[in-house]
Amino acid sequence: DTAVSQTPKYLVTQMGNDKSIKCEQNLGHDTMYWYKQDSKKFLKIMFSYNNKELIINETVPNRFSPKSPDKAHLNLHINSLELGDSAVYFCASSQGRVGSPLHFGNGTRLTVT
Amino acid sequence: GNSVTQMEGPVTLSEEAFLTINCTYTATGYPSLFWYVQYPGEGLQLLLKATKADDKGSNKGFEATYRKETTSFHLEKGSVQVSDSAVYFCALYSGGYQKVTFGIGTKLQVIP
Repeated sequence: DTAVSQTPKYLVTQMGNDKSIKCEQNLGHDTMYWYKQDSKKFLKIMFSYNNKELIINETVPNRFSPKSPDKAHLNLHINSLELGDSAVYFCASSQGRVGSPLHFGNGTRLTVT
Repeated sequence: GNSVTQMEGPVTLSEEAFLTINCTYTATGYPSLFWYVQYPGEGLQLLLKATKADDKGSNKGFEATYRKETTSFHLEKGSVQVSDSAVYFCALYSGGYQKVTFGIGTKLQVIP
């Protein structure tokens, strides 16, 4: 009964390929996020959806495209992968109110070779 | 815009030592403040939070007090254990676009 689950846990692929990461939350939260964590542990928000509507879209290459089929799911598709995309990607959810904490998945470690 | 400044690590302490990790912030309005902890190979977990000035958040022996006058939210623990070894993130949440701003993370290593 994992609250925020993302798959796969590890993803190794070659440059130029297209890949997807899936995320699901069973907490009944309205807001979901994608964060990227680099090798120095720095966390950068990429996208946020509230009730399937995109509300945060940071400066991210348009090779990254989020999709939210319903408010419990937020997937991330990446086209034409580059070496610099190698990182750990975290999905998170929250109730979306000030003071509401984020609930994170365990991350997907993407390695582009 | 909002920002969080957190001391850089790594911080290495002996077991039972006193821990302080400094965090200061810049924000408009009245943000909520958080500390998250990330254990190796895992996602971030909420450690504690405070939603208004002078609130003290506490959990698992860790404490932090929301100081509006110094815009700080320093994390403290009186006696650290080896199991506290992790990366600690200070964060703020200021409504509007529901965006959480994280500090750079401070790695703590506790040695027996």
